[in-house]
Amino acid sequence: TQLLEQSPQFLSIQEGENLTVYCNSSSVFSSLQWYRQEPGEGPVLLVTVVTGGEVKKLKRLTFQFGDARKDSSLHITAAQPGDTGLYLCAGGAGRRALTFGSGTRLQVQP
Amino acid sequence: DADVTQTPRNRITKTGKRIMLECSQTKGHDRMYWYRQDPGLGLQLIYYSFDVKDINKGEISDGYSVSRQAQAKFSLSLESAIPNQTALYFCATSDHRGLTDTQYFGPGTRLTVL
Repeated sequence: TQLLEQSPQFLSIQEGENLTVYCNSSSVFSSLQWYRQEPGEGPVLLVTVVTGGEVKKLKRLTFQFGDARKDSSLHITAAQPGDTGLYLCAGGAGRRALTFGSGTRLQVQP
Repeated sequence: DADVTQTPRNRITKTGKRIMLECSQTKGHDRMYWYRQDPGLGLQLIYYSFDVKDINKGEISDGYSVSRQAQAKFSLSLESAIPNQTALYFCATSDHRGLTDTQYFGPGTRLTVL
């Protein structure tokens, strides 16, 4: 069974602060995705990374896939209240269904 | 119009009742999924289907069953609902391309079992 552990589980910060969320596994994944879920809605894809060491930027969000493709991080610069939500990482491996992490709930206070 | 729809959006039922949650998609994707989400937690995979003739158990399939009636429809049944099945249920579809499998989620069904 492939498991993805996210840390921290919950994060409450002030507007303007920086933060990093981690997604770790003992298994190798062929791809790693990050989703954001807002209250009352389903998760929405933010980014997909497929190459070990790959870094992708989406405005103030920076995503990195570990060299060994077992871990990933999400860094948010100058967080804003609109970044509030549940962040989920998900690993893909061949034909199997995605494995989702346990999630990090982020709250950004104005 | 939404690409992935779920009905009902909210349901309150009693222990022992049979419940069916329905999911329809207009994205033309072959793959469909049912997930369960408990308050403050991530997603747990209940069942998934890679095409009309394919049904696979996920990590928490006990107490649930599914039916893939057509490419566009995937329903989840609780044969005899129990209170610990109270949760938010999401349907998702995906279009597997190469190494990636982006999932598109419905709006969710909030189920309460009394």
